[in-house]
Amino acid sequence: DAKTTQPTSMDCAEGRAANLPCNHSTISGNEYVYWYRQIHSQGPQYIIHGLKNNETNEMASLIITEDRKSSTLILPHATLRDTAVYYCIVDALQGAQKLVFGQGTRLTINP
Amino acid sequence: EADIYQTPRYLVIGTGKKITLECSQTMGHDKMYWYQQDPGMELHLIHYSYGVNSTEKGDLSSESTVSRIRTEHFPLTLESARPSHTSQYLCASSEFRGDSETQYFGPGTRLLVL
Repeated sequence: DAKTTQPTSMDCAEGRAANLPCNHSTISGNEYVYWYRQIHSQGPQYIIHGLKNNETNEMASLIITEDRKSSTLILPHATLRDTAVYYCIVDALQGAQKLVFGQGTRLTINP
Repeated sequence: EADIYQTPRYLVIGTGKKITLECSQTMGHDKMYWYQQDPGMELHLIHYSYGVNSTEKGDLSSESTVSRIRTEHFPLTLESARPSHTSQYLCASSEFRGDSETQYFGPGTRLLVL
């Protein structure tokens, strides 16, 4: 069962920042927050992950609240190619990583 | 960008045929995974491997089998394909950074069993 809650869908204008929220109120101390996305029917693509500090890479930024019960993925300048389903996943390093993808957020970038 | 490959990308086959879906990665990752995903639905873990000669069943019951004779290769086999096996099959491998594990996925194989 997915341990995260995300909005089913979101829209964002091209060129604007897309902010995707995720609730993970039952997250354990050793669990990381991962974000993946899936464009159409391609294989999921890793975006970013973090434990408690905010993280930034060439694709996105991840903001994790101090209590770690929620986080936000930020795509700073969304393009049409960012239209995808975005998955927020929490998982700890134990045995095989069983990514439970849930339903995710369907993000549509509008021109 | 991860180097993980799956072949074939698309396969249409008749009931009862034996098929093998290929997955290979050139990153030297020990852990590899197979997922099954129906259109618009969640991914389900069907098999995984910790390394050479290691194979484990995932959460979703599957009639497929896997093998791991080489680090870079993790093929999935269906001995007798049925229409219920029609789905997309996704292979992944993972790397470790500190206490975290990140999975990288292949492009997937779309299987249609008639």
